Amino acid sequence: DIQMTQSPSSLSASVGDRVTITCRASQTMTIYLNWYQQKPGKAPKLLIYSATSLPSGVPSRFSGSGSGTDFTLTISGLQPEDFATYYCQQSYSTPWTFGQGTKVEIK
Amino acid sequence: QVQLRESGPGVVKPSQTLSLTCTVSGGSVSSGDHFWSWIRQPPGKGLEWIGDIYYSGTTDYNPSLKSRGTLSLDTSRNQVSLKVTSVTAADTAIYFCARGISSWPLFDYWGQGILVTVSS
Repeated sequence: DIQMTQSPSSLSASVGDRVTITCRASQTMTIYLNWYQQKPGKAPKLLIYSATSLPSGVPSRFSGSGSGTDFTLTISGLQPEDFATYYCQQSYSTPWTFGQGTKVEIK
Repeated sequence: QVQLRESGPGVVKPSQTLSLTCTVSGGSVSSGDHFWSWIRQPPGKGLEWIGDIYYSGTTDYNPSLKSRGTLSLDTSRNQVSLKVTSVTAADTAIYFCARGISSWPLFDYWGQGILVTVSS
């Protein structure tokens, strides 16, 4: 199985801040990496796919980068609605696996 | 707009079988462009993929379930079902169904989730 490790596990930030979350895979997987946002009591929502692509409707303040084993999710200009937990997920091989999550909290 | 809704019992006794149904609207479980998945999340914890099923009937499961999971499609009702046998407290979780895109494995639509508690 491909193990996904996110860092940090949690962070505190203010509205307007630039936030960076990293995800490291236990083996190389080119760009088969997706990011999801989950708010309390809700289902995860697809945020980024193929490491860098934004689905329709996702604000451009979200961006992704990386390939191989190291990936990054960046939020440029944190908004109040962005406080949530973020998960990376590898889609290179089954079993599909997720990172443990990064909780973004209000400072 | 595609919508998924999970249904089933909220409490299951240990050693029994957990059975859930996902009803899909706004899309077809017969689509060759998609697959259908179940993903679970123990309370306060992270996400665990359970398995996928394709229109062809092909299935793929997480080995962590140790062959206790079964997915099936009911095309006449546009539903996806999950069964997990011999449940224990470790199977207590919110269970989500999700739609996957075959050409690039990702989950683009999710149900709201259903909490299943394993308890006597």
